[in-house]
Amino acid sequence: EDKVVQSPLSLVVHEGDTVTLNCSYEVTNFRSLLWYKQEKKAPTFLFMLTSSGIEKKSGRLSSILDKKELFSILNITATQTGDSAIYLCAVGDNNDMRFGAGTRLTVKP
Amino acid sequence: GAGVSQSPSNKVTEKGKDVELRCDPISGHTALYWYRQRLGQGLEFLIYFQGNSAPDKSGLPSDRFSAERTGESVSTLTIQRTQQEDSAVYLCASSLVWGDQPQHFGDGTRLSIL
Repeated sequence: EDKVVQSPLSLVVHEGDTVTLNCSYEVTNFRSLLWYKQEKKAPTFLFMLTSSGIEKKSGRLSSILDKKELFSILNITATQTGDSAIYLCAVGDNNDMRFGAGTRLTVKP
Repeated sequence: GAGVSQSPSNKVTEKGKDVELRCDPISGHTALYWYRQRLGQGLEFLIYFQGNSAPDKSGLPSDRFSAERTGESVSTLTIQRTQQEDSAVYLCASSLVWGDQPQHFGDGTRLSIL
């Protein structure tokens, strides 16, 4: 059965901390892995990863994929209160996208 | 606006009633996706449309759920004889074609069944 597992489910840090969010997956036909940030309503796209070992970076956020070990990490450095959100990992195969349960990140001042 | 638009944003109804949720995709996007997000959980894929065709309906939770799409525009998700376990946020997303990433999401419809 295809599945996407994110960890931790919940994380509380203070501003300035660095966090690492994990996403592991098992799907029959892998096409891409995506990270989304969901604050109040619509998830917003962060990264799409298709190749192993190539880091995608946007400001304080970065992500990398390991297709051999079937996982991805999302790093956030120098966290800010505005980073508080649910971070969703989704894995697309040839038929649909499967989402993990998300990691709820809370950044305290 | 230029984004995915969903209506209503909130819907409260009694158990047993039918509800209809609407999604307007981004203009020009031929693929449209419906997801359900229960409280504290990730997104659950329900159905997708490529044009007005829905090749895979296996994600729909029960035969009380159905979806239609008019051409390559508006889609409606209908839930008949609603049950309390149908309470969730229903999110719609669209992309240029099926499989194109990323998908662009609407703000969702929060459905509450009393």
